[in-house]
Amino acid sequence: DAMVIQNPRYQVTQFGKPVTLSCSQTLNHNVMYWYQQKSSQAPKLLFHYYDKDFNNEADTPDNFQSRRPNTSFCFLDIRSPGLGDAAMYLCATSSPPPNEQFFGPGTRLTVL
Amino acid sequence: AQSVAQPEDQVNVAEGNPLTVKCTYSVSGNPYLFWYVQYPNRGLQFLLKYITGDNLVKGSYGFEAEFNKSQTSFHLKKPSALVSDSALYFCAVREKGGGFKTIFGAGTRLFVKA
Repeated sequence: DAMVIQNPRYQVTQFGKPVTLSCSQTLNHNVMYWYQQKSSQAPKLLFHYYDKDFNNEADTPDNFQSRRPNTSFCFLDIRSPGLGDAAMYLCATSSPPPNEQFFGPGTRLTVL
Repeated sequence: AQSVAQPEDQVNVAEGNPLTVKCTYSVSGNPYLFWYVQYPNRGLQFLLKYITGDNLVKGSYGFEAEFNKSQTSFHLKKPSALVSDSALYFCAVREKGGGFKTIFGAGTRLFVKA
């Protein structure tokens, strides 16, 4: 089945220790998104890629970076995680609007 | 600016009864509207969308939603609730021609009691 895969499902890191979350897709969608979701709140868009074009939301902290080496993979790098970065991180893909997004299962990040 | 309001944090309904989860939106232009469902420790799953055309949209698992332009609403409905429908429901809006950003509502938790 075509899907969006996120690894790991659970990630524990220490305060200030860099961490990378990964996302892969078999849907061949050209748009990939990263969202942060805290405590069953609304997902908050961090950034998205349309093919290789990177688009950062204005309020996304500089601490968050992303890489998309090819169509299938996208990474979220958190350079110096703080306690406030503990959250569920959701990857999603879509064809261009108005199409719906397909979400991965998420990675729950804990910062100690 | 785009915004979405889900006025109810929680909706409780008995199994077999109809359910409604409310959503209102605000965009400066015409909207694309979506409903997603989230089960515990899972990503969001797409239920249905309104793009254009018929105001009544049918989606997955027996859900439907009605687009009401004058009331700027897009309420989610199901004629007969199942216990397995218990989950967190998100309404979302994207403005036509507004790029890729989708704004999600705060979510409504649905409890269906047997």
